[in-house]
Amino acid sequence: QVQLVESGGGVVQPGRSLRLSCSASGFTFSTYAIHWVRQTPGKGLEWVAVISSDGYNEYYAGSVKGRFTISRDNSKNTLYLQMNSLRAEDTALYYCARGGTWWYFDLWGRGTLVTVSS
Amino acid sequence: EIVLTQSPGTLSLSPGERATLSCRASQSVTSSSLAWYQQKPGQAPRLLIYGASTRATGIPVRFSGSGSGTDFTLTISRLEPEDFAVYYCQQYGSSVTFGPGTKVDIK
Repeated sequence: QVQLVESGGGVVQPGRSLRLSCSASGFTFSTYAIHWVRQTPGKGLEWVAVISSDGYNEYYAGSVKGRFTISRDNSKNTLYLQMNSLRAEDTALYYCARGGTWWYFDLWGRGTLVTVSS
Repeated sequence: EIVLTQSPGTLSLSPGERATLSCRASQSVTSSSLAWYQQKPGQAPRLLIYGASTRATGIPVRFSGSGSGTDFTLTISRLEPEDFAVYYCQQYGSSVTFGPGTKVDIK
């Protein structure tokens, strides 16, 4: 079954860190760029970061640059998002999503909820 | 950053009617790099259209996309009960941004 499954969300205090994971199955993970996209009721959908299929290239939204790091382990078919210095405005449902040459998303996970609160 | 505006915010229609959703960009979208997604409560977005007019795999022919430059349209020719949802446009010609969504609900 072709799918992405996120994990690692939870409640964390401002300034702390959290690492999200995204496990892929049913397709050749190592041939696709993978993105993180987050969603909140107030701000809607916001693209967060992307990593190339080989893991050598990363790009970030300005709102998370310098605080978040995207990485992948193609031997484990897994994507990660290391989130440091978390802020209340990082509270969101975080999705991993499959991309390609063009940055539209043809496969999404169900999301993992991150809540930043004291 | 390219800002996307969607209209109307809510569209109230009956099954069988035609739905026309608009997405306007603050500047021209390169190479018609525009996608449309459908999202139902509790679910992730689902890709419907990419490249402004190409249906994604498995998407019914009643969904069609058109437009270029700054003005794009998603049309659902005849609404089925399962089409009542929120629809988002997304541009990927210059980084990635999403529109705020149009909710299609049952009249």
